[in-house]
Amino acid sequence: QVQLVQSGAEVKKPGASVRVSCKTSGYTFGSHGISWVRQAPGQGLEWMGWISAYNGNTNYAQKFQGRLTVTVDTSTRTAYMELRSLRSDDTAIYYCARDSATGGTGVFDPWGQGTLVTVSS
Amino acid sequence: DIQMTQSPSTLSASVGDRVTITCRASQSVSAWLAWYQQKPGKVPKLLIYKASSLESGVPSRFSGSGSGTEFSLTISSLQPDDFATYYCQQYHSFLWTFGQGTKVEI
Repeated sequence: QVQLVQSGAEVKKPGASVRVSCKTSGYTFGSHGISWVRQAPGQGLEWMGWISAYNGNTNYAQKFQGRLTVTVDTSTRTAYMELRSLRSDDTAIYYCARDSATGGTGVFDPWGQGTLVTVSS
Repeated sequence: DIQMTQSPSTLSASVGDRVTITCRASQSVSAWLAWYQQKPGKVPKLLIYKASSLESGVPSRFSGSGSGTEFSLTISSLQPDDFATYYCQQYHSFLWTFGQGTKVEI
């Protein structure tokens, strides 16, 4: 079955960078894009960015332009999210999510299990 | 960016109730709207895409409707497993956005 398995929890200091991985299996990797969505404690969902696993094209929410980089490694079927210049309000669970096979690009299914990133001095 | 506004923010209901959540877009998103369910400590789950298409495996008591700027998610008969937070999400423009969520509680 389709699986997205993310890397483990991270604790970072303000100003640092974090890189989260999302290893996929169970489908043709290049056929579906991958998005990154975050959720601050007790808050709602926030879409951050998307990458085509076919050609590496990316699209980022304006809020994260210049601070976020999303990449894929097709040889390992893994997507990566790097967020730089971390602040305390970047503390959140970060999810990767694949483009839905039924809904297509922009619909998220399935999701990774989430990675907690804590930013604290 | 297209802003998505859900109402109500919190909804108190009982098992067996018919429940409707509304989602309004700041500009037309045609039918490019999805609904997700999230339970505490769990990963969001896709329920509906393209405003009214039920995702495979989702119970038929869930339904979606609307187009343009006004959308709704209806649960025809609320079950104990349905107490959760629900999010709408537009994917019309390539700057996707979620609503703030509606918590359905007892």
